[in-house]
Amino acid sequence: DAKTTQPPSMDCAEGRAANLPCNHSTISGNEYVYWYRQIHSQGPQYIIHGLKNNETNEMASLIITEDRKSSTLILPHATLRDTAVYYCIVRVASNAGKSTFGDGTTLTVKP
Amino acid sequence: SQTIHQWPATLVQPVGSPLSLECTVEGTSNPNLYWYRQAAGRGLQLLFYSVGIGQISSEVPQNLSASRPQDRQFILSSKKLLLSDSGFYLCAWMNSISGNTIYFGEGSWLTVV
Repeated sequence: DAKTTQPPSMDCAEGRAANLPCNHSTISGNEYVYWYRQIHSQGPQYIIHGLKNNETNEMASLIITEDRKSSTLILPHATLRDTAVYYCIVRVASNAGKSTFGDGTTLTVKP
Repeated sequence: SQTIHQWPATLVQPVGSPLSLECTVEGTSNPNLYWYRQAAGRGLQLLFYSVGIGQISSEVPQNLSASRPQDRQFILSSKKLLLSDSGFYLCAWMNSISGNTIYFGEGSWLTVV
C-alpha cells in the first residue's frame, strides 16, 4: 500500500468547512483513497473513498487531484461532534491482505 | 446487515497472565479479518490478518498470536502478557459485500499491570 502524509493537527470553527489534506505521491493506478475517522476510545468509522473522481456522500466530499498524488476531505459544515482523528489510507480495493493506518490528523472543531 | 462485535470491552490483567480477545462478524461470509493495536495517541498498527479459516498472517513479531477457528470468528491470544501489550485492540472485517471497505469493531482496552 502507498504511504500517506497528513498534518498532525488542524483546527476549524464550528459551522465552517473543514478541509483535511492528504498526500499520497506514490499511489498506484489501481489504489483507492479511503478516509476514516476515530472519535476517542471508539473504533474508526468509514467516511468515504474514491479512485480518481470526486465523491460525495451524506458525511463528506472527497476531492482527488488530477494526478492523484493528493486528496482533500471536506466536511462542509463542521460541528463539535466532528472533532476526531481523521485517517487517509490508500490501497487496492480488493486487497485480500493488509491495510495500514498512520497517525492521521487530529481535527478540533471549536465553538 | 453486517455487524462486528468484540469482547471484552475492557480488561485489566497482571503481567504474565494469559489473554483472549474474541471477535465475531454477523451477516456475511468469508470475510477478511484483522486485528489492530493502537497505543495511546498513535495510529493503528496491523497485528494479524486472515483470509480464511486457519489462515493467519502476522505483520510484526510480538508476544501475541491469532486464530480463526470458524469463518466469522477471530481470536487474539497471549500465553503471558507483558506491560508493553497494553493498548486499544481493534478487530475489523472486509469482503466484496462490504464493497471492500474495512469496518471496525468497538475496540477492547487492555491494561497490563
